[in-house]
Amino acid sequence: DVKVTQSSRYLVKRTGEKVFLECVQDMDHENMFWYRQDPGLGLRLIYFSYDVKMKEKGDIPEGYSVSREKKERFSLILESASTNQTSMYLCASSLRQGAGNTIYFGEGSWLTVV
Amino acid sequence: GIQVEQSPPDLILQEGANSTLRCNFSDSVNNLQWFHQNPWGQLINLFYIPSGTKQNGRLSATTVATERYSLLYISSSQTTDSGVYFCAVSPFTDKLIFGTGTRLQVFP
Repeated sequence: DVKVTQSSRYLVKRTGEKVFLECVQDMDHENMFWYRQDPGLGLRLIYFSYDVKMKEKGDIPEGYSVSREKKERFSLILESASTNQTSMYLCASSLRQGAGNTIYFGEGSWLTVV
Repeated sequence: GIQVEQSPPDLILQEGANSTLRCNFSDSVNNLQWFHQNPWGQLINLFYIPSGTKQNGRLSATTVATERYSLLYISSSQTTDSGVYFCAVSPFTDKLIFGTGTRLQVFP
């Protein structure tokens, strides 16, 4: 079975802190994604990576950056956390570019910025 | 961009009842997936169904691509079916656009 592991399940950070959310997948998938989920808004794509060192902005990239130095690992970085970034963050992966690939999600990371 | 609307937003059922969840989308897609998010936040892929009909146990899904909608059927619902059901679409890539979900509560 595909496993997508998010390193931290619950985090509390202070405004202005730099925050790293780590995600690892174990199935050699090319595609990796970071979404955030907020009540009433569903899931919104922050960043997408289709290969090592490659990234594309999603719908809401402002305030975030990403890093993909190895195929299995995709990191989301909040350079200076703000309270409006309090949310649940979901990492996902899929096999490769092109329609039709099942997407697998991690368990989510609940981030609170105070 | 594509708009994805799901209905109803909330659904309360007694165990054993059947239900239909609907997903409307505003443009042509070639990737449509249904997901279930359990009460602990884990999202599980239920179906990849850009067109046609599929069944998996008590769940089935139908997408009518020409009319831009998809339906998820849950038969003989169980308490473990509770959670949020999401429809997600994409016109040509794996970058899925999600609807806002249908929250289902099944009571014994």
